[in-house]
Amino acid sequence: SQKIEQNSEALNIQEGKTATLTCNYTNYSPAYLQWYRQDPGRGPVFLLLIRENEKEKRKERLKVTFDTTLKQSLFHITASQPADSATYLCARAHGSGNTGKLIFGQGTTLQVKP
Amino acid sequence: GAVVSQHPSRVICKSGTSVKIECRSLDFQATTMFWYRQFPKQSLMLMATSNEGSKATYEQGVEKDKFLINHASLTLSTLTVTSAHPEDSSFYICSAGTVGNTEAFFGQGTRLTVV
Repeated sequence: SQKIEQNSEALNIQEGKTATLTCNYTNYSPAYLQWYRQDPGRGPVFLLLIRENEKEKRKERLKVTFDTTLKQSLFHITASQPADSATYLCARAHGSGNTGKLIFGQGTTLQVKP
Repeated sequence: GAVVSQHPSRVICKSGTSVKIECRSLDFQATTMFWYRQFPKQSLMLMATSNEGSKATYEQGVEKDKFLINHASLTLSTLTVTSAHPEDSSFYICSAGTVGNTEAFFGQGTRLTVV
């Protein structure tokens, strides 16, 4: 079965540093991977999508990579701020890839300390 | 981006009663919506796919008679938790996508507590 695995341990970093979160998947490479941010008691908010044929995608301080050899995506936040503290979820399409139908990793909680 | 609104955000109910959760797409039409459940410290798990005008599709292990889904219009899907038990206490989240888009838009979630 398809799985998404993220490091469930919290990641604590100092403000201004770069946070790097890891997402590993099993079985065949998905057409794309998505990254979401989830704050406590809230629904996920879409951040970035990276396609299988893209090595890297950037959006402001965010950068995502997709390595089909390692079956891994890395999510980077540069110049991190306390406001970046949240849980970050990696997701792949569930089955045929219908938009919105996703398999999520368990999420990695990031804590940025001032 | 598109907006998905979920209501209520919190609900407390007694064991044995039923609770209805609404999910609305505010500025777009959604022929398909999805319902997820999230237990504390765990990831979102897909429960069912809600199809406008037809029956919902449930994931393995999800009781269709307990979690009733109705998708009567292109902007509204409802999830009714019937005969709720304390173990149904969880965070329920809906999502919707639009044609041509590959990102999903999520509601703000509903915290259900069954006492």
